[in-house]
Amino acid sequence: GAVVSQHPSWVICKSGTSVKIECRSLDFQATTMFWYRQFPKQSLMLMATSNEGSKATYEQGVEKDKFLINHASLTLSTLTVTSAHPEDSSFYICSQAGQQGQPQHFGDGTRLSIL
Amino acid sequence: DQQVKQNSPSLSVQEGRISILNCDYTNSMFDYFLWYKKYPAEGPTFLISISSIKDKNEDGRFTVFLNKSAKHLSLHIVPSQPGDSAVYFCAASRNTGTASKLTFGTGTRLQVTL
Repeated sequence: GAVVSQHPSWVICKSGTSVKIECRSLDFQATTMFWYRQFPKQSLMLMATSNEGSKATYEQGVEKDKFLINHASLTLSTLTVTSAHPEDSSFYICSQAGQQGQPQHFGDGTRLSIL
Repeated sequence: DQQVKQNSPSLSVQEGRISILNCDYTNSMFDYFLWYKKYPAEGPTFLISISSIKDKNEDGRFTVFLNKSAKHLSLHIVPSQPGDSAVYFCAASRNTGTASKLTFGTGTRLQVTL
């Protein structure tokens, strides 16, 4: 069964809106979660590493003020796309770092469409 | 700078035959490699992994081969089944730690035909 739950699965909203995406770990307390973005026919690109109780670590070129990450509990990380614009339209996917020796498990992703 | 490359964007294989998906990497610091399968509008599902201390890992119909000197890995699926039709991503990380970042390839779309 699913070990990572991501919500919502699809969002369509107007330009300038802020959108929050939730990622929940269902099977254990994940101190580290990752946020990825995938544009059509491209690879999954890591955006940031979400650390419970501390600031997220962002990859080069990702605006931390635009993509706000909160990891306030061991089972929930959120990504907020602030003042979204059409170029932010993409498929956003979270993953949880596995337990020792286990691979990352991914949520089902959120398709974000900004009109 | 694409550190993990999958040069074949698509592959078509007949049911029952072997599917071979290839992946090349450039960063010699990578020492843990994974294959994920992805259906449209879903997140990737883990298939199989291999550490750089090995050159082969097998799990049922799936086998991953690693050639460190060539910086190349491949995923073999045999026999291929229609349900295997999906996009396959290889990924690499710099250590086997659970909090390691993954670098993904661009994916290969596998179509298994009847």
